[in-house]
Amino acid sequence: RKEVEQDPGPFNVPEGATVAFNCTYSNSASQSFFWYRQDCRKEPKLLMSVYSSGNEDGRFTAQLNRASQYISLLIRDSKLSDSATYLCVVTIGNAGNMLTFGGGTRLMVKP
Amino acid sequence: NAGVTQTPKFQVLKTGQSMTLQCAQDMNHNSMYWYRQDPGMGLRLIYYSASEGTTDKGEVPNGYNVSRLNKREFSLRLESAAPSQTSVYFCASTGTSDSYEQYFGPGTRLTVT
Repeated sequence: RKEVEQDPGPFNVPEGATVAFNCTYSNSASQSFFWYRQDCRKEPKLLMSVYSSGNEDGRFTAQLNRASQYISLLIRDSKLSDSATYLCVVTIGNAGNMLTFGGGTRLMVKP
Repeated sequence: NAGVTQTPKFQVLKTGQSMTLQCAQDMNHNSMYWYRQDPGMGLRLIYYSASEGTTDKGEVPNGYNVSRLNKREFSLRLESAAPSQTSVYFCASTGTSDSYEQYFGPGTRLTVT
């Protein structure tokens, strides 16, 4: 079983749609959670951290459910520029800044 | 401010050849990492260096060696390349022990024939 699992997609949505991605992780000792974004043939970049209380950054909302070991990312009012692969990332147990990456969910926003 | 740089961007090797991938960061970061990314597998950690002078194995270290040359530079060496090492290699760095944002280089696309 992979430590961090994501639906690979692709999710094909029209501009303006709301789309949600989910992620599950297996290590209950993981302390910190993130979403990274990776454009085609580019390097990953941090999109946002995920806090227990849930957090929002503009059109993006991240939620964490520690009991179910589940993380989500909601994108409202999708833009063409949101087309990318979204990587769910968790720390390795309680080991500082060591990260485990999910395989990514690909989003394609169409006009 | 260049961030994290990697060379080369592309490389084709024959089975059994050796090469070194170079990585440098100009952000005065302590920790540096080498990952490989294969389709559907996510990024997998090969080796990391928590600070200058230290290196440790990650999830998939077999067939690789690393050198933390100084605080800025962290190189990855393939001594005898195999087709299974065909992948995209990313170097990353992070600043402090409580900062989880890793900054990535642009990657090296390696093909081993």
